[in-house]
Amino acid sequence: QQPVQSPQAVILREGEDAVINCSSSKALYSVHWYRQKHGEAPVFLMILLKGGEQKGHDKISASFNEKKQQSSLYLTASQLSYSGTYFCGTDPSNSGYSTLTFGKGTMLLVSP
Amino acid sequence: NAGVTQTPKFRVLKTGQSMTLLCAQDMNHEYMYWYRQDPGMGLRLIHYSVGEGTTAKGEVPDGYNVSRLKKQNFLLGLESAAPSQTSVYFCASSYSLFTQYFGPGTRLTVL
Repeated sequence: QQPVQSPQAVILREGEDAVINCSSSKALYSVHWYRQKHGEAPVFLMILLKGGEQKGHDKISASFNEKKQQSSLYLTASQLSYSGTYFCGTDPSNSGYSTLTFGKGTMLLVSP
Repeated sequence: NAGVTQTPKFRVLKTGQSMTLLCAQDMNHEYMYWYRQDPGMGLRLIHYSVGEGTTAKGEVPDGYNVSRLKKQNFLLGLESAAPSQTSVYFCASSYSLFTQYFGPGTRLTVL
């Protein structure tokens, strides 16, 4: 079942913060975050594993609440380059590879 | 390194025609995937492969077939195209459960 992302869209000014949420009805082993710019391929941001720690990547970080099967992506001091659509992908299994079920995406627009 | 490449970039088909999309990767990745992306739907997994000679169904496999005769190539076939298969198709590869590297996509229109 497809994870639910919220919000559907966010408009920010440069320097503002944003949080994107991803919620699943299934027990998860991993949550993956990707960013896709218009007309381009999705690009991997980070992965969170069951029992793992919160991850960070420059000013983008994420957490995974195993009890609630929810993940959140935190974008701090947003830059123009952060604009794009963010997808979470979820996988309930630990099989050595990932067969991801993606959410519908959250569109983020950062303006000057 | 070219990474993941897809051929063709664009294609227009008539209903009932067949075609094959080619995905090639030069990273020696074991795992390969085919997704379709439709507006407002996100990415949906069609088929995947965990190694040369193996394939498995994903979330939306109906109407598609795949083959992985060589480790570096993963082919997606449409035997009898339907307008519902109008979409952007992405191929991806990975060496573990971590990063999937996506190709640039193929935009397919079925009239």
